Amino acid sequence: EAGVAQSPRYKIIEKRQSVAFWCNPISGHATLYWYQQILGQGPKLLIQFQNNGVVDDSQLPKDRFSAERLKGVDSTLKIQPAKLEDSAVYLCASSFPSRGLHNEQFFGPGTRLTVL
Amino acid sequence: GDSVTQMEGPVTLSEEAFLTINCTYTATGYPSLFWYVQYPGEGLQLLLKATKADDKGSNKGFEATYRKETTSFHLEKGSVQVSDSAVYFCALSWDGGSQGNLIFGKGTKLSVKP
Repeated sequence: EAGVAQSPRYKIIEKRQSVAFWCNPISGHATLYWYQQILGQGPKLLIQFQNNGVVDDSQLPKDRFSAERLKGVDSTLKIQPAKLEDSAVYLCASSFPSRGLHNEQFFGPGTRLTVL
Repeated sequence: GDSVTQMEGPVTLSEEAFLTINCTYTATGYPSLFWYVQYPGEGLQLLLKATKADDKGSNKGFEATYRKETTSFHLEKGSVQVSDSAVYFCALSWDGGSQGNLIFGKGTKLSVKP
């Protein structure tokens, strides 16, 4: 079974530029998550989708971050404009939701963003 | 709010040594608890989990017991190997409105020397 795919793996940009990350979840997984992992910290949820609808985006800095999952499969996370503090690894995860259970989230390898 | 606290690393052990990584949580209620592992250059992988008090999760020789009284979920392994070198994350999750959103600790880096 193919895992969660993410691209690019690495990205270096200058502050105030824009950047986009792509995620392809495991086939059949309706729930998709984007996490931000700053160096030395644990991942923090940015946004969660159920199919193509947003379940939780309470920690997404909406003035500069946006995400979409138009057809309920692939997802794109965008930052515009980027700030120095956005340097982090951006992780995508997916899970197969089952009501009442805590389902395993499968993580992609992440995209390491460096903002100069 | 809910949070997870892990012992700070890095932890350096010799092969076959006993491992304990402490994890405590703060939450109103009884969430599910997890340990995830991140090997160098790879994504996070679920190592083990426990969904209710007194449950013991186990996998690959690692164990952790959900202790409601001490709000803890310490990770243990009796004899570590070089291949266990990785970063270990403790996490909690609710099945409430967020449908399983994970809250992670800061991670503990383990290095095992031959």
